[in-house]
Amino acid sequence: EADIYQTPRYLVIGTGKKITLECSQTMGHDKMYWYQQDPGMELHLIHYSYGVNSTEKGDLSSESTVSRIRTEHFPLTLESARPSHTSQYLCASSEWPDGEQFFGPGTRLTVL
Amino acid sequence: AQSVTQPDIHITVSEGASLELRCNYSYGATPYLFWYVQSPGQGLQLLLKYFSGDTLVQGIKGFEAEFKRSQSSFNLRKPSVHWSDAAEYFCAVGAGGSGGGADGLTFGKGTHLIIQP
Repeated sequence: EADIYQTPRYLVIGTGKKITLECSQTMGHDKMYWYQQDPGMELHLIHYSYGVNSTEKGDLSSESTVSRIRTEHFPLTLESARPSHTSQYLCASSEWPDGEQFFGPGTRLTVL
Repeated sequence: AQSVTQPDIHITVSEGASLELRCNYSYGATPYLFWYVQSPGQGLQLLLKYFSGDTLVQGIKGFEAEFKRSQSSFNLRKPSVHWSDAAEYFCAVGAGGSGGGADGLTFGKGTHLIIQP
């Protein structure tokens, strides 16, 4: 079954830790996206990718980085987490730039 | 660049009553339009989409939306809401296949739907 997965679903860590949020999709989509969303608030695009070895920054400046070594995998890394990074992070993929985006369940990150 | 406005931050509806959530977009050509729903702590689920053709679109869970070019609107409707419809609803617009909008879809700020018993 085609799907998009995110792990972990919940993460509580201390300030200064390095973390990687995983995102994988089985649909073979070239386009992938990372959004940051505070509870009950709008989505902010922080990173996107057109395909392997392609990464771009989104509308919202973020201290995180991403990589795209395989089509199905689009991890997001924070080198040194801070309390301001506390948020929900949503990963999505689409077949073409303006088409339907398929969303993962999200990772809720809390930095103490 | 395209933009999306959802004028209502919160909407409260009684269970069994009808619902209409408003969405206005700004784009020079015919856009691709979407409505998503998000339950607390979850990702977004597509309710329906409009690319072309019939301007009244049917979606999942009994929802429908109507594209009105003259009003630049794509309002979401449901004839009778259920308590399980309480969620956040997002309207989104794409650049209509023009190849523009390198960052994919543009989302509205969302409308929080509350269902009264």
